[in-house]
This record gives sequence, C-alpha cells and structure tokens, in this order.
Amino acid sequence: DTGVSQDPRHKITKRGQNVTFRCDPISEHNRLYWYRQTLGQGPEFLTYFQNEAQLEKSRLLSDRFSAERPKGSFSTLEIQRTEQGDSAMYLCASSRRGLAEASEQFFGPGTRLTVL
Amino acid sequence: GQQVMQIPQYQHVQEGEDFTTYCNSSTTLSNIQWYKQRPGGHPVFLIQLVKSGEVKKQKRLTFQFGEAKKNSSLHITATQTTDVGTYFCAEPSNTGNQFYFGTGTSLTVIP
Repeated sequence: DTGVSQDPRHKITKRGQNVTFRCDPISEHNRLYWYRQTLGQGPEFLTYFQNEAQLEKSRLLSDRFSAERPKGSFSTLEIQRTEQGDSAMYLCASSRRGLAEASEQFFGPGTRLTVL
Repeated sequence: GQQVMQIPQYQHVQEGEDFTTYCNSSTTLSNIQWYKQRPGGHPVFLIQLVKSGEVKKQKRLTFQFGEAKKNSSLHITATQTTDVGTYFCAEPSNTGNQFYFGTGTSLTVIP
C-alpha cells in the first residue's frame, strides 16, 4: 500500500503523559498536514509542512504540541503533558504541489488518542 | 478566521431520493475541495473546484461553485446505500497553507 500511513492507530494514555505520533506520507508528496478531528466535527487544521519547513501552525495550537519533519519525509507530532481535552483522532494528510494553488489531500487512517 | 458554514448537519433520505449539501464561506475563495468520510474511515478527496460558476459531474454527483466563489454545493441524484457518510467542504486560507473544513453533512440512506 503506497498511501499515507500513521502509527500507532490507537493510543491510550494517562493525563500528564507525553505521546508521539508518526506519519509517513506518500513518497513524492512535499506537503504534509496534521489535523485533529473530534466526533461530529470536521478536521481541524493543526500544522503544515512544505518539505522539512513548518510553514504554518494553527493559532489555536497549544505550546504543548510540537511537530517535526526532519528530512522532509516522515513527520512526528508530539503532545506533552496530555489533557483529557486532547482526546481526538489525529489525522495526517499529504499532497503534491500542483499547478493550482491547492491540490487534493490524501489522508492517513489516523491515530485515535484517548487520555484517561 | 474563516467561517465555513455547511448545511444541513444531518440528512436522512430514502434510497433513490436526491440529496444536496451546501457550503457557504465568509470570504471569496480561490478554490474549494469536497471530501467524503465513511463511518469509521478517513476523509477521501472527491473534487476541487476553481472557476467561478464551475459545475463538475462525477456519475451521480454534481458539484457547483458559486459565481461569486463564496459558496458551493454537492448534489447526489438517486442516492444509494453506498453514499452513506459525511460530506465535507474544505476551503484554503489566503496563503493556501491552511485548510478549513466545514462541519460536514452526515448522510443516512434508508434502504
């Protein structure tokens, strides 16, 4: 399967613990996005990478959240000192910059985080 | 920030009936994307609209971009049970680096 993959698929943690998620985008895609989705809502933008550069970060994103894409390939999203409100599905998406301003995003299966 | 209003929030239809969901933006858009998310699944890209007044068809699905590029619609003709899911529109920010998703319309098709 050459789609976007995410690991782990599920994570249960206790409040106050740190968690890290990984995303492997489609190999030729230079754009990578992280989203958060809660039940009944649309995906909420967290951050965007073009190659290894983090070009945009949501103003709503707490300082406890950090993301990296060190070599412009896979990306990690870390949440420090997790809170119960962090419980959500964390989605990664990748795309390839096309001629248009935006191009279709391919989403991974997501990591479901439960904070107890 | 940009407000993405999507209506209705829920729609139940009998199989064979038509379905339409609407997306309205507070700003003029450069383009708009539509995604479908099946229950328990992840969003899957359907289409991107770029031109004012653009209409695109994919089998029973018809997508429309408003003349003012502030609204869009997705119409499904003669729904089938395979159409079940939540349909989202997504708008790019001014920089094109962020995407704002609507709250989605959840479609239930009753056989």
